Amino acid sequence: QQQVKQSPQSLIVQKGGISIINCAYENTAFDYFPWYQQFPGKGPALLIAIRPDVSEKKEGRFTISFNKSAKQFSLHIMDSQPGDSATYFCAASKLSGSRLTFGEGTQLTVNP
Amino acid sequence: SAVISQKPSRDICQRGTSLTIQCQVDSQVTMMFWYRQQPGQSLTLIATANQGSEATYESGFVIDKFPISRPNLTFSTLTVSNMSPEDSSIYLCSVERPNEQFFGPGTRLTVL
Repeated sequence: QQQVKQSPQSLIVQKGGISIINCAYENTAFDYFPWYQQFPGKGPALLIAIRPDVSEKKEGRFTISFNKSAKQFSLHIMDSQPGDSATYFCAASKLSGSRLTFGEGTQLTVNP
Repeated sequence: SAVISQKPSRDICQRGTSLTIQCQVDSQVTMMFWYRQQPGQSLTLIATANQGSEATYESGFVIDKFPISRPNLTFSTLTVSNMSPEDSSIYLCSVERPNEQFFGPGTRLTVL
């Protein structure tokens, strides 16, 4: 599987701050980039996803920024809350709903 | 979205035994995927299961170790055979929806 590299491995943010997680991919055939949120003991839940035809997608406090030329995309969580504390995975696939290649994950802790 | 259930939710098994994990979806889906998430790690695709055909396994995973059944469009099973402690992981099924992929809650397996 082609790699998707994610950073940082862990992130600590104060309540109300901005959390930023970055991912980089290698395979230019990827055309679907979702972010998943996983709480302990639960399966990953789809948070937000983007296709390469747009540079940014926003849903509530969550924003994906996409840089096709750099082959990078990032998740921004605005006004971070303690309830956002979870592990976040970026992923990529060649077709939406096709086999996903996951990043290594980022453990986010939002302090009250 | 998709409602996905898995059974069992967790199990503790002895070395050398086998465990079959069930995945049930609330509506018909073409493609189902099985992933493994080792402790503290990211998700790795084991195989893709299409109804009416043999599962397609990823590099490093073989049918003798992880046999998969897909008898209909709402159900699949994954068997972890001849288990060893290295098989201790969370096993997740996921399904494809147009433009999205959803995950089940996972089966937490501990092998002693």
